[in-house]
Amino acid sequence: SAVISQKPSRDICQRGTSLTIQCQVDSQVTMMFWYRQQPGQSLTLIATANQGSEATYESGFVIDKFPISRPNLTFSTLTVSNMSPEDSSIYLCSARVDSGNTIYFGEGSWLTVV
Amino acid sequence: GDSVTQMEGPVTLSEEAFLTINCTYTATGYPSLFWYVQYPGEGLQLLLKATKADDKGSNKGFEATYRKETTSFHLEKGSVQVSDSAVYFCALSGTGTASKLTFGTGTRLQVTL
Repeated sequence: SAVISQKPSRDICQRGTSLTIQCQVDSQVTMMFWYRQQPGQSLTLIATANQGSEATYESGFVIDKFPISRPNLTFSTLTVSNMSPEDSSIYLCSARVDSGNTIYFGEGSWLTVV
Repeated sequence: GDSVTQMEGPVTLSEEAFLTINCTYTATGYPSLFWYVQYPGEGLQLLLKATKADDKGSNKGFEATYRKETTSFHLEKGSVQVSDSAVYFCALSGTGTASKLTFGTGTRLQVTL
């Protein structure tokens, strides 16, 4: 298994500002993923982040809005840029444990944009 | 492409009732199947998984069997507790190391005394 820690756990942000979410995994992993969960909805994949390469974004998500860094095998960041109330969501970091085909999740970062 | 269909919620049960949450999938090849649970105010936790046909995943009294013939992975528990109240997500991961998770819409379970 893997333990995944996210910071911040919750935040209230002003419209137009940007916020960076940090994700730390307790073991080295090749693949990390960022998901968004809008209120009462399922999870939507934003992007896949592999160490040493640019993140791969899903349809509807762009790098200018959601820049991602992956500097090493245990850490990643997601920035939500120029936030609007529509960005109010839970943002979840996850990682594929390389010894198996299981993806584990962090506790999520609950963002409210006012 | 891959997809997961879950039964609509919310599901409301009395404590000690039997639970079934239906999940069917569409995928090429032989995906791995998962159930995740999200308790109120928390992130996602892996509940159980199955990686090949006829495998049964189990945890905390919950179980689900990978049925390739019916492309299903229904979640069951013989006697639910109030503490099981949560949202349950069925998901699949396709074959290959680059595969990502595809989620169902989630089913909210409310257990009452």
